[in-house]
Amino acid sequence: IQLTQSPSSLSASVGDRVSITCRASQGVSSYLTWYQQKPGKAPKLLIYAASTLQSGVPSRFSGSGSGTDFTLTISSLQPEDFATYYCQQLNSYPHTFGQGTKVEIK
Amino acid sequence: EVQLVQSGAEVKKPGESLTISCKTSGYRFSTYWIGWVRQLPGKGLEWMGIIYPTDSDTRYSPSFQGQVTISADQSTTTAYLQWSSLKASDSAMYYCARQWKFSSPNYGFEYWGQGTLVTVSS
Repeated sequence: IQLTQSPSSLSASVGDRVSITCRASQGVSSYLTWYQQKPGKAPKLLIYAASTLQSGVPSRFSGSGSGTDFTLTISSLQPEDFATYYCQQLNSYPHTFGQGTKVEIK
Repeated sequence: EVQLVQSGAEVKKPGESLTISCKTSGYRFSTYWIGWVRQLPGKGLEWMGIIYPTDSDTRYSPSFQGQVTISADQSTTTAYLQWSSLKASDSAMYYCARQWKFSSPNYGFEYWGQGTLVTVSS
């Protein structure tokens, strides 16, 4: 299963609402997870099962979708949110990642 | 506290063998899936494979099947990633990571090692 994220990169300002989409080449039910990765660091799990916020993750992050189309939304971008975001499907092997979306400061 | 501590950076020559490790602590090792993820320099994440230590059930990405071996030792609560013959194209950061949900491989990696940088150069 291939995952295509869009956009590949975006520039935004603090306080902006940002949305990243992840489209699967086949249905993955709700087995879709979102990660945040900062330079030189391991990824951090943000959302699992498409829309469930992992414990400790700020509520400005949200996820939606099922089947083939998913969205990660940051309601009000904060300075610490500038990073690269990846989706991953865990419905069938191999558990592929999307190519990533880099969120940069405008 | 759950911890995954990976072995240190490696510099190897093409054709050499290598095993890197991921020492875990703070949880029941046998009952959580643990996997490996590759990140080429400046590139995205690639899922390599995953193992369930209880029965060593292992699943590989076709991209890595036959190229690496994933294993787990319950006695030392350590997972391993092994190459028998390295290539220059294996130069990357390798992360081990543990699934967050007990006995399920379907919800994502919550805990990650710090990464092991492998450099393969003649």
